Amino acid sequence: GQNIDQPTEMTATEGAIVQINCTYQTSGFNGLFWYQQHAGEAPTFLSYNVLDGLEEKGRFSSFLSRSKGYSYLLLKELQMKDSASYLCAVRDNTNAGKSTFGDGTTLTVKP
Amino acid sequence: SAVISQKPSRDICQRGTSLTIQCQVDSQVTMMFWYRQQPGQSLTLIATANQGSEATYESGFVIDKFPISRPNLTFSTLTVSNMSPEDSSIYLCSVDSGEGQPQHFGDGTRLSIL
Repeated sequence: GQNIDQPTEMTATEGAIVQINCTYQTSGFNGLFWYQQHAGEAPTFLSYNVLDGLEEKGRFSSFLSRSKGYSYLLLKELQMKDSASYLCAVRDNTNAGKSTFGDGTTLTVKP
Repeated sequence: SAVISQKPSRDICQRGTSLTIQCQVDSQVTMMFWYRQQPGQSLTLIATANQGSEATYESGFVIDKFPISRPNLTFSTLTVSNMSPEDSSIYLCSVDSGEGQPQHFGDGTRLSIL
């Protein structure tokens, strides 16, 4: 099975940088995904890591360390519209390719 | 990425009735999933919809309560049967486009049971 932990809530200031951490335990790692979900909307894909290291995509970057079971999502130059829930999801290659989602981190960006 | 159409987008239903939610994808996909997201919580996988065979249900979910159809590689339905207020939730269809690809989600069905 899988166990995914991420902080419940975070608050940051507009223009700042915030790092959302995710730790996981899995029997067969096959990729980690980050999703953004605004209130009342469906999750949208942000980033994907399967190898160790940093993946950068504009203001968003995601890092993975498979040996530590650890990932983070880095958001730079925060904007008010970044206020949302951020979901960490791990795909398990021993579980028919299914992904397990963490409980999400609710980020509030303040002026 | 795949375009997913899910309907209805929302509904208000009476206790004891059933509702069928439809999910249409604009391309053939191998894996289709149905999730539930209760207020303030994360996504919980209900089942994997398998084309041409019975769905694979997660612990705590049964076919009698959540029957699923998958007649082809672009379409699936989820029925929420004999509804109670505890079934009030958002139900999401999701597809997996393959190795190294993320899951994509439909816009969800917001279901309220009175």
